[in-house]
This record gives sequence, structure tokens and C-alpha cells, in this order.
Amino acid sequence: GAVVSQHPSRVICKSGTSVKIECRSLDFQATTMFWYRQFPKKSLMLMATSNEGSKATYEQGVEKDKFLINHASLTLSTLTVTSAHPEDSSFYICSARDLRASGSYEQYFGPGTRLTVT
Amino acid sequence: AQSVTQLGSHVSVSEGALVLLRCNYSSSVPPYLFWYVQYPNQGLQLLLKYTTGATLVKGINGFEAEFKKSETSFHLTKPSAHMSDAAEYFCAVNTGGGNKLTFGTGTQLKVEL
Repeated sequence: GAVVSQHPSRVICKSGTSVKIECRSLDFQATTMFWYRQFPKKSLMLMATSNEGSKATYEQGVEKDKFLINHASLTLSTLTVTSAHPEDSSFYICSARDLRASGSYEQYFGPGTRLTVT
Repeated sequence: AQSVTQLGSHVSVSEGALVLLRCNYSSSVPPYLFWYVQYPNQGLQLLLKYTTGATLVKGINGFEAEFKKSETSFHLTKPSAHMSDAAEYFCAVNTGGGNKLTFGTGTQLKVEL
């Protein structure tokens, strides 16, 4: 149980285009999902917290107009990188908290999406 | 504010030897602590977690960790390393009222024959 998927696993796009990444909880409902960015050989940096049916909460320094987050259902959150530039190239990982496991604070992670902007 | 320090960005052990990955935390509230493992180009997999209760926590793949409040530590150990244990390991503490995780910088474990 507690499986999180991400799609696509890899994407290459041209500078100036937009890319959408999907994060799905497959066997549980998640009111809260998180989006992280990981640079090579670095730790995970929390970008934003996504709550179903409400606006995402962005961490300091993260451009909300560039990284659009939508959490339309209890099993799906999307991250859209708008007008992508080479510096946006990174490994993006989502995670989700199980609605039934309140109090455990455990997050289940997706397999990540490698974005390369050329 | 909560924070996590992982001493040693790279640890190398021989196959069959003891694995010890260090994690110290700072928290103004009773912490929930986690160890995650990440294999190349993959997401994070939970190894074990401490919330309340027994301070010695056993996880998957033979790993365990002990919560020591007096030392603000949550070190990860495994009695005998296996080649398949080679990966990046992250320690994390809950923060933001419990809703967020703050990660350490990670420790790359290398297992040699």
C-alpha cells in the first residue's frame, strides 16, 4: 500500500515552454501533497505544500507564478513549470500524506521526474 | 526551528561490516524522526520512523535507529552491510507544526567488497 506515482519520469523540453508533472496517490487519499526539488548530490528542498481544494502554500523564495500547483482531487496534484529555462532543470519529487494516518506525519514519495530544459 | 545535521556526506564500509550513519536534530517540540533511502534516479523510501514509545526502532532491510533525547541523535545502524545497501540516506524531522519534513543533507553509503 501507500504507493505514489509520478508522470512523466523524464521530460526534455525547450526553453520557454511549459511542462506539467502529475503526482498521484494510487491506493490512498491524500489531502496534502508536497513538491520537492533536488539538485545533483543535494538534499531535497521543499517547494510547496499542496492542499486539496485550496491554494498551495509556497516556501520562501519559490516563485508561485512559475511553479503552478493544482490539487484538484484527493489523489492528484500537478506541478506546472511555466516558461521553463535551463536553470529549472532538476529532479522534482512529490510526496503525499495518507488521510487515514493523521498524526504519523509520514510522507510517501513518488519516484521523481527528471526535467531537462534545453 | 527544526533542523537536521548528518555528519559525513560519504561513508564507505566493507561488505559485512557495521553501518553507522549519524543524524543529529534540533527541535523545539518533541520530534518525529525519519530515515529515508534513495537509490539513483528514484524517489525516497521510508526505512524507519520514530514517533513515540520505544526509542529503538527497527526498520526494513535490517536497519534500526535509536532515539536519544539527551544527545539529540537518531543514528542509523545495520550490523552487516550488503552491497545492495549502497545508496543515499536522508534523515528527516517533522516541522511546520508537524506537517512538513526537514531533511538533512544526506549521506552517500558505499559498500565495498
